[in-house]
Amino acid sequence: DTGVSQDPRHKITKRGQNVTFRCDPISEHNRLYWYRQTLGQGPEFLTYFQNEAQLEKSRLLSDRFSAERPKGSFSTLEIQRTEQGDSAMYLCASSPTPGQGARDTQYFGPGTRLTVL
Amino acid sequence: AQSVTQLDSQVPVFEEAPVELRCNYSSSVSVYLFWYVQYPNQGLQLLLKYLSGSTLVKGINGFEAEFNKSQTSFHLRKPSVHISDTAEYFCAVSSTGGGNKLTFGTGTQLKVEL
Repeated sequence: DTGVSQDPRHKITKRGQNVTFRCDPISEHNRLYWYRQTLGQGPEFLTYFQNEAQLEKSRLLSDRFSAERPKGSFSTLEIQRTEQGDSAMYLCASSPTPGQGARDTQYFGPGTRLTVL
Repeated sequence: AQSVTQLDSQVPVFEEAPVELRCNYSSSVSVYLFWYVQYPNQGLQLLLKYLSGSTLVKGINGFEAEFNKSQTSFHLRKPSVHISDTAEYFCAVSSTGGGNKLTFGTGTQLKVEL
């Protein structure tokens, strides 16, 4: 069990460019979550997957954002036409399928810090 | 809807002194409660969690928290802090059914001084 990994750790881009982040969850974790954390704030929920199905999207996830988890393993988060307001830390977390007591725990990756110039 | 309030944005404390970081939550349904710690430029590490059972929960690094349903609180405590405890601490809540997305507070910066 190597933990949740995210790639890249840092990304600097110019306004208007597209970016894609990758998250590899803990193996055999069915649930995968994406959060966004801006400076001085707590993480905010963006979306989550149960296996390959995207079950919920926050209103924070505008049309420029899209997330996928095609084979129920790793996930990608793409931001199109980036804006300066997209600058934040993007965190990924995974968990076993909830509803079984101790399994209701999310484990976080190191995050991808996005800076939009 | 759920919300978490961490009233103290910063807590300075001397090394070896006790500390309490406050967390209050609001929810119309049953919840699970968590404390996470974040070191600079890193992700979140789980400190402890309350899912059910004993209201006093012990976590890693000597931290503990007590769930108080009547006061809707989940305060984090440590009897003697270390320089290495300097970090940002986040309280979070999730509902016990459906989604289980976490709602976080705004965080408390714990600064341990010599």
